[in-house]
Amino acid sequence: SQKIEQNSEALNIQEGKTATLTCNYTNYSPAYLQWYRQDPGRGPVFLLLIRENEKEKRKERLKVTFDTTLKQSLFHITASQPADSATYLCALGDDKIIFGKGTRLHILP
Amino acid sequence: DVKVTQSSRYLVKRTGEKVFLECVQDMDHENMFWYRQDPGLGLRLIYFSYDVKMKEKGDIPEGYSVSREKKERFSLILESASTNQTSMYLCASRLKQGVNRGYTFGSGTRLTVV
Repeated sequence: SQKIEQNSEALNIQEGKTATLTCNYTNYSPAYLQWYRQDPGRGPVFLLLIRENEKEKRKERLKVTFDTTLKQSLFHITASQPADSATYLCALGDDKIIFGKGTRLHILP
Repeated sequence: DVKVTQSSRYLVKRTGEKVFLECVQDMDHENMFWYRQDPGLGLRLIYFSYDVKMKEKGDIPEGYSVSREKKERFSLILESASTNQTSMYLCASRLKQGVNRGYTFGSGTRLTVV
């Protein structure tokens, strides 16, 4: 069955550094992949979508890569700030999407 | 600003009650979804609807039903609430199938069944 794994449940990064989150998937060849941010007690908020024929996508301090050979996406936040602390969810699918369980990112001041 | 609105942020119901969770979107989206989110299990799809009057089962439909009488409104119904349905319920919408954009989520309803 299709499976998504996000590299760790929690990640602590010093303010100003680049945070890198990993999303791996198996038994699937999605046409596109998405990343969401979720704050405690709130619904996820869509951040970025990347298509299988795109290697990299950027939005302000965010960068996403998509390697369909490795079946992996990397999500980078450069110059991280305490306000970036949240849970980040990877999601993939062509029609119905499935979500990873998320990585809780803590940016330490 | 486009929105998905869920009728209640917090809800406490008794075992055996029939529970209605309402979701309204103002974006003229065709597709709507209901998820539940539990610690350690992530987001799981309960039901979805690709258009008015249409509904399809997701991965965990048991104990739930849905209604979509109008395009903007998608209701989740717990026929007879049980304690294992205590969870965070999230509604989402998407423009339509084949249009590759992200989902817009509501703020969620935290339901406790006692």
